[in-house]
Amino acid sequence: QSALTQPASVSGSPGQSITISCTGTSSDVGGYSYVSWYQQHPGKAPKLIIYDVSNRPSGVSNRFSGSKSGNTASLTISGLQAEDEADYYCNSYTSSSTLVFGGGTKLTVL
Amino acid sequence: EVQLLESGGGLVQPGGSLRLSCAASGFTFSSYAMSWVRQAPGKGLEWVSGISDSGGSTYYADSVKGRFTISRDNSKNTLYLQMNSLRAEDTAVYYCAKGRTPRGGIVVGGYWGQGTLVTVSS
Repeated sequence: QSALTQPASVSGSPGQSITISCTGTSSDVGGYSYVSWYQQHPGKAPKLIIYDVSNRPSGVSNRFSGSKSGNTASLTISGLQAEDEADYYCNSYTSSSTLVFGGGTKLTVL
Repeated sequence: EVQLLESGGGLVQPGGSLRLSCAASGFTFSSYAMSWVRQAPGKGLEWVSGISDSGGSTYYADSVKGRFTISRDNSKNTLYLQMNSLRAEDTAVYYCAKGRTPRGGIVVGGYWGQGTLVTVSS
């Protein structure tokens, strides 16, 4: 049950786009369409922003999009805004019938 | 409105036990799998355990297998996590989280509680 691999940090300027990768194996990310992404601000509970690889829950901005290729999932945030500065986590279902999170990525809006 | 309210956290000595509860409301509790997810201070999220809607199937992370037990009481709309043989590395905020779809698996959705802090220290 190794954690999924995410970059520790990414940054971008307001209005730019950034992409956060999430790399697993064929036993998790590559094997299922159950990849989710969460946004977490300091001291707050995580907020679901993408589910099932590329679906957005109601109320989540369309600036957030998700995709997957092979064993790597990606979260793209377009038109960066100051409020997007937060930690982001990917999550996947696994062949062991468990869940696994990525190590998290800190997004800094410059 | 979906609400998940955790309780039972606190300070416990290494080797001790603690039982967390998560009171659910605003949805048909017995139709959804549930999970516990934890976050150590300054660290990332870690899935801990999950349980099917009926309670008949349970799942654990390797880090807690054999020490933690997840259960639920659908008549009381409550999820539990019994934690035994606690270690310093179990110190974390523990969140309960609702499964994303009814009668679905343990894949977590968008409803989480606010968390309860467990501190394991002498």
